[in-house]
Amino acid sequence: DAKTTQPPSMDCAEGRAANLPCNHSTISGNEYVYWYRQIHSQGPQYIIHGLKNNETNEMASLIITEDRKSSTLILPHATLRDTAVYYCIVRGSNDYKLSFGAGTTVTVRA
Amino acid sequence: DVKVTQSSRYLVKRTGEKVFLECVQDMDHENMFWYRQDPGLGLRLIYFSYDVKMKEKGDIPEGYSVSREKKERFSLILESASTNQTSMYLCASSSYGGRYNSPLHFGNGTRLTVT
Repeated sequence: DAKTTQPPSMDCAEGRAANLPCNHSTISGNEYVYWYRQIHSQGPQYIIHGLKNNETNEMASLIITEDRKSSTLILPHATLRDTAVYYCIVRGSNDYKLSFGAGTTVTVRA
Repeated sequence: DVKVTQSSRYLVKRTGEKVFLECVQDMDHENMFWYRQDPGLGLRLIYFSYDVKMKEKGDIPEGYSVSREKKERFSLILESASTNQTSMYLCASSSYGGRYNSPLHFGNGTRLTVT
């Protein structure tokens, strides 16, 4: 059963912010939201994760709604190298594994 | 930075051969994982190890075995390779986070073709 819903694809312009949405309406209280990306022919790369507070690191920001039913990954200044498949994953605090869905194919255009 | 290194980027083997895929991580992580990735099916967990000599089956363990003799190394073994095992194989590691599980860090994959 899919725990997250993401749009299949989106485009964004180089230098602009990219806002990637994710719905997780059945998330439970002890489940985290993780984001990964996979650039063609490479392994998945960890981006960021959070429980209920917004999070920021050197790669991106994660905004989680107050009801926790959706979140947005923000790439502040997209570059061509950010073209990738982005995965939003819900993971329980006691889950050792990650379960990947289909993700969003993001294409950054010059 | 965490580094997960897979010994081969591309591998071509014949049906029936015994195949070893090797993975090494340099961050003293307790947990190690083997996934396979296929178009339309996404990433699927084959096996997981949470300590030396300890292993658990993932979602698709049939046709595979694993070995973890040292903390930094996790091997995936195809006892008798078959064409339906042609796939991208991804190794990952993570530290033991207790209740707060830490992120998985992936290698760049081994693309295995079985002919």
